[in-house]
Amino acid sequence: AQSVTQPDIHITVSEGASLELRCNYSYGATPYLFWYVQSPGQGLQLLLKYFSGDTLVQGIKGFEAEFKRSQSSFNLRKPSVHWSDAAEYFCAVGARTNAGKSTFGDGTTLTVKP
Amino acid sequence: DVKVTQSSRYLVKRTGEKVFLECVQDMDHENMFWYRQDPGLGLRLIYFSYDVKMKEKGDIPEGYSVSREKKERFSLILESASTNQTSMYLCASTNRADSSYEQYFGPGTRLTVT
Repeated sequence: AQSVTQPDIHITVSEGASLELRCNYSYGATPYLFWYVQSPGQGLQLLLKYFSGDTLVQGIKGFEAEFKRSQSSFNLRKPSVHWSDAAEYFCAVGARTNAGKSTFGDGTTLTVKP
Repeated sequence: DVKVTQSSRYLVKRTGEKVFLECVQDMDHENMFWYRQDPGLGLRLIYFSYDVKMKEKGDIPEGYSVSREKKERFSLILESASTNQTSMYLCASTNRADSSYEQYFGPGTRLTVT
């Protein structure tokens, strides 16, 4: 069975500082991997995804993530955080079968200090 | 743009009531999903559907049922609402032709059962 772990429940960074959100997954083969962002009271929006090819993927809003098969990780990074990045972030792993069902991590809440 | 809409943003119901949550997507997606989101628990899959009249149980189907009579509409039914079903409910859809199975989310329905 597939699973996702986001070790950090809550992270606080200063505006302008760099950010890394951790994600570890468990899946028997090469997975689809996603990062979604959820602003307060909203649905989830896709930031970026990996499904093949280059292991460093670029997303919207200046985010990037790197797929590391040896570490079963897909960490999200941003070089300089903006106050508007404050939100909850979800990592997800998707099977390459079964109607595209994804399993989500518990989420990391990002607070940005001025 | 893909649009997934949910019939209500906020809903308050009494214990024992039958509750219908409606989800509509306008991009002809084959797959649709219902999740519930609770603090610290991430997104948990209730049911999904990969075609009209087809449904499969997710991880937490107890107390819920679903209906998919038309491709664009996926309904979640709480047969007899209970206070432990107070939660945020999120609908999502995916396009089978998109090999990565990115999920498109609605804005969510915050249900309170009193």
